[in-house]
Amino acid sequence: DTAVSQTPKYLVTQMGNDKSIKCEQNLGHDTMYWYKQDSKKFLKIMFSYNNKELIINETVPNRFSPKSPDKAHLNLHINSLELGDSAVYFCASSPPADTGELFFGEGSRLTVL
Amino acid sequence: GQNIDQPTEMTATEGAIVQINCTYQTSGFNGLFWYQQHAGEAPTFLSYNVLDGLEEKGRFSSFLSRSKGYSYLLLKELQMKDSASYLCAAMDSNYQLIWGAGTKLIIKP
Repeated sequence: DTAVSQTPKYLVTQMGNDKSIKCEQNLGHDTMYWYKQDSKKFLKIMFSYNNKELIINETVPNRFSPKSPDKAHLNLHINSLELGDSAVYFCASSPPADTGELFFGEGSRLTVL
Repeated sequence: GQNIDQPTEMTATEGAIVQINCTYQTSGFNGLFWYQQHAGEAPTFLSYNVLDGLEEKGRFSSFLSRSKGYSYLLLKELQMKDSASYLCAAMDSNYQLIWGAGTKLIIKP
């Protein structure tokens, strides 16, 4: 029943490792996003995909690589993890109209040791 | 540059009314959003204003003044479950959301 689901919800790993977070939405939305929320609670957009095509790619290190196998999935792969990557990563989707209403996943809390 | 300002934290009493203000500066404007985020949870949509004036939705109302670059979220009859962070976000001319850092609202009995 979950509209936007992401896994894993918690991830603890060592610096230098590579990890992935998966996201799936069953709302039939064309647009999906990855946001990063740091300890100061700012939500920063990282990537936006529309119908599997990248439309927003903010200034994030190229260690972060999104992949959208189909419009219902947007995965995030992170190489060579650094301490500063520790944050909560939210996946979200939005309907076609530019109303801005986002439907968020529950978040994936990444801790890099 | 683009910027959203809102207070970091506010405290109010159960049953009372609280107003959370937000000022914004964006390149173009396509609407102002309020989201609620409980600790450890995802943000959830509360309201969207694109025209000047007040939009009421139950105990929550949102106001917008485009000429002043100003919005507020008004919460009435506060309940303990309203303790959360309230995020203000403005949509710019590219339909991108610019987010504030959120206002943490603490409700006391």
